[in-house]
Amino acid sequence: DTGVSQNPRHKITKRGQNVTFRCDPISEHNRLYWYRQTLGQGPEFLTYFQNEAQLEKSRLLSDRFSAERPKGSFSTLEIQRTEQGDSAMYLCASSLGSGAYEQYFGPGTRLTVT
Amino acid sequence: AQTVTQSQPEMSVQEAETVTLSCTYDTSESDYYLFWYKQPPSRQMILVIRQEAYKQQNATENRFSVNFQKAAKSFSLKISDSQLGDAAMYFCAYNFNKFYFGSGTKLNVKP
Repeated sequence: DTGVSQNPRHKITKRGQNVTFRCDPISEHNRLYWYRQTLGQGPEFLTYFQNEAQLEKSRLLSDRFSAERPKGSFSTLEIQRTEQGDSAMYLCASSLGSGAYEQYFGPGTRLTVT
Repeated sequence: AQTVTQSQPEMSVQEAETVTLSCTYDTSESDYYLFWYKQPPSRQMILVIRQEAYKQQNATENRFSVNFQKAAKSFSLKISDSQLGDAAMYFCAYNFNKFYFGSGTKLNVKP
């Protein structure tokens, strides 16, 4: 068990460019979550998967954001036409299930849009 | 809508003393789960303690304990015998299908 990993750790991009982040969850975890965290705030829910199915997407998530988990293993989060307001830490977490199950967090990808 | 409120943006405690971090939440559900997570500077979030809403007994994990008041929708974290390594951001979280996090409390530990 190597924990949740995320790549890249840092991404600097120019406004209007597309970016893609990857998350590799703990192997036996069937739930995978994406969050956004800005400085001084707690993680804000973006979306989550149960295996390969995307079960919920935050209403705060614009159409420029899309996430996939093609084989129920790793997941990608893509942001199209990035804006300066997208600058944040993007966190991935995985868990064995819902309820009392702990979410294990990755180190995050810090996105800076210039 | 579920919301989680942490009213203390920052707190300080002397090493070896006790500190309590506050958290309140709003929900219409009766069966849910509450968590405290710790986020050290530039490091990953890790679980500190969890509480099932259907359990009346407060959870404890070594130096960490909670005061869960379901009727008041309050879930405070008590850290006893504070250590320098406890310095971090602490997030309260509510889970019903998905997690809702508070804005966090930055804990400083003074030697």
